[in-house]
Amino acid sequence: EVQLAESGGGLVQPGGSLRLSCAASDVTLNAFWMSWVRQAPGRGLEWVAMIKPDGSEIRYVDSVRGRFAISRDRAKKSLYLQMSGLRVEDTGVYYCAMLDSATSHGRVYWGQGTQVTVSS
Amino acid sequence: DIVMTQSPLSLPVTPGEPASISCRSSERLLHRNGNTYLDWYLQKPGQSPQLLIYLGSNRASGVPDRFSGSGSGTDFTLKISRVEAEDAGIYYCMQGLDTRTFGPGTKVEIK
Repeated sequence: EVQLAESGGGLVQPGGSLRLSCAASDVTLNAFWMSWVRQAPGRGLEWVAMIKPDGSEIRYVDSVRGRFAISRDRAKKSLYLQMSGLRVEDTGVYYCAMLDSATSHGRVYWGQGTQVTVSS
Repeated sequence: DIVMTQSPLSLPVTPGEPASISCRSSERLLHRNGNTYLDWYLQKPGQSPQLLIYLGSNRASGVPDRFSGSGSGTDFTLKISRVEAEDAGIYYCMQGLDTRTFGPGTKVEIK
C-alpha cells in the first residue's frame, strides 16, 4: 500500500513563505496527477493545485494562483508546494493526495496532512 | 469553474435506518469517454478523507455494500441502506472532470 507523508508545515507570519513536501513510499504515484488539498479549521475540503505526471501541466485554484507553486521530483518520489505571500486565510491542514480514481480503478491516496498556521 | 452543492448540510440518522445525500454540479460531469467524474468521500474526525464511490456509482475497495452511488449529468445521490454508528462523519462529493472541486460537505450524526 502506497503511503504519503507531508512535512514542512508550521507557523509563519502574514506575507511569509513556506515550502511543503510530500514523500511517497514508492514510485507508483509517479504515473498520476498529484494534488494538494487543504482544510481550514472547522471547514470543508478545498482543492488547491495539481500537477501532471511529467510536470508539463499545472493547475491552481484562483485564490492561490501567483502565490503558490506546485512541483514534483519523480526521482525523489516527492511532491512540493512552495507558498509565498501567505495570508491568514491560508491557515489549515494541507494534504497531498492522488485523486485520480478513474485511472487507478478506485484507488486514491491521501497523506495525513501538515498544519500551516499564518498568524502574526 | 465547476461549483458543487450538497443537501442537506446536516443529517441526523437513526442506526438501521436509510440515509440519502444529494450533490449537484454546475456543469455536467459526463466526459466524452463515457465516464462521469463524480466521487464520494467520507471524512471521520481527525482522519484523512476516504474514498467511498468513484465514477458516480462504483464502490471503492473495502467499502460496505450498504453504500451506493447513483445519478447522472448534474445530479447525484449517495445512499446508505442501513446506517451504522461507524458511518458518522462528513460526506463530500467531488468532481474530477475539470481540476477538482469538493462540495461543502454533509455532516452525518448518529442519533
